[in-house]
Amino acid sequence: NAGVTQTPKFRVLKTGQSMTLLCAQDMNHEYMYWYRQDPGMGLRLIHYSVGEGTTAKGEVPDGYNVSRLKKQNFLLGLESAAPSQTSVYFCASSSPRLAGGKFYNEQFFGPGTRLTVL
Amino acid sequence: ILNVEQSPQSLHVQEGDSTNFTCSFPSSNFYALHWYRWETAKSPEALFVMTLNGDEKKKGRISATLNTKEGYSYLYIKGSQPEDSATYLCALKVTQGGSEKLVFGKGTKLTVNP
Repeated sequence: NAGVTQTPKFRVLKTGQSMTLLCAQDMNHEYMYWYRQDPGMGLRLIHYSVGEGTTAKGEVPDGYNVSRLKKQNFLLGLESAAPSQTSVYFCASSSPRLAGGKFYNEQFFGPGTRLTVL
Repeated sequence: ILNVEQSPQSLHVQEGDSTNFTCSFPSSNFYALHWYRWETAKSPEALFVMTLNGDEKKKGRISATLNTKEGYSYLYIKGSQPEDSATYLCALKVTQGGSEKLVFGKGTKLTVNP
């Protein structure tokens, strides 16, 4: 199993350019997430999806769009990149499991995409 | 806005020292607390998921406790080793609109000096 993979690993954009980050998981997980990580800010949730064809806004959704057309893929789009979107982007996936009468939902993270917007 | 606080922000210890740090969270409507270990240039890896007040989980030299009534969890590392150097994240499970997500703290960065 490759787990969670992200492409590309690095990218430099000019202000106003668009791009799509791809996250893929081969664990048949229901839930997928996109986070951004900035110095001193911790991980902040951008958008997430609880199943194929569904998406929802997280903590910092503005300037981003997402799509989950296939269960294994979760795409993050920047329509018009801004310098404030310079960040490291992490994708994660999870699937609730029942153990000892409790539900657990650990997230598995991808390796990250470092994006710089000039 | 839900606040998950971690302290200290960073910590330097000597090899062999034992150490601990704190995650604080709102105690109402508690579902679960996750701990992750995040090494530099890698992605976060799940350490523990804690659900019950008084829970204590252990993995090797690392253990964690949970107090849901007062809203805190402690992570302990016994006999720290240089390979324990990482950022330790806690995350509170919240439910919103019928689905669940994690709200992360900013992490505690641990450096273990040989």
